[in-house]
Amino acid sequence: EADIYQTPRYLVIGTGKKITLECSQTMGHDKMYWYQQDPGMELHLIHYSYGVNSTEKGDLSSESTVSRIRTEHFPLTLESARPSHTSQYLCASRYTKNTEAFFGQGTRLTVV
Amino acid sequence: AQTVTQSQPEMSVQEAETVTLSCTYDTSESDYYLFWYKQPPSRQMILVIRQEAYKQQNATENRFSVNFQKAAKSFSLKISDSQLGDAAMYFCASSGMDSSYKLIFGSGTRLLVRP
Repeated sequence: EADIYQTPRYLVIGTGKKITLECSQTMGHDKMYWYQQDPGMELHLIHYSYGVNSTEKGDLSSESTVSRIRTEHFPLTLESARPSHTSQYLCASRYTKNTEAFFGQGTRLTVV
Repeated sequence: AQTVTQSQPEMSVQEAETVTLSCTYDTSESDYYLFWYKQPPSRQMILVIRQEAYKQQNATENRFSVNFQKAAKSFSLKISDSQLGDAAMYFCASSGMDSSYKLIFGSGTRLLVRP
């Protein structure tokens, strides 16, 4: 089992609320990623980080923001949630280019 | 830019039989890595098998093997002796030499296993 954790697993929240999805890994990986996945659909990279104090936008435009103050922690924030943000968000980390990426269990977000 | 295409939205296999999932990719890089990931319903994404593009030998992991055709940019996954626990979404992914090490995923194939 990979040492990467996401909380909460499920979240139902009202429109306009600010939310933060947590992601932590204990493997010391520099590279971390956030993917957005609609049920049964492909994964779209929305944010990634090369390491501490590094954040980059991914291939899919997202209204969310991320921060990377510590190696092990890569939270994702939505300042004002909307129903269009309803989706599953997967966090991942990776050590080197020839090793696998490890995934968290995901956060399933529903905005009502 | 890298792209990954999975043309089979859903596949079905009888328990104990063999099934092959297709994947094609496109990249301008000479060295890259290819992966198959499994995502069971409501469970964590896990690695099934990995292939390094510079290695000509096809990777194998127990009942799982790949057919890597570099010239055709094809990377199919063969599952032998299918088991009920193999039922899941399977995603093909590629990773190039970009220092971000990011993975680009295909759209996935849902595998159903009939008892």
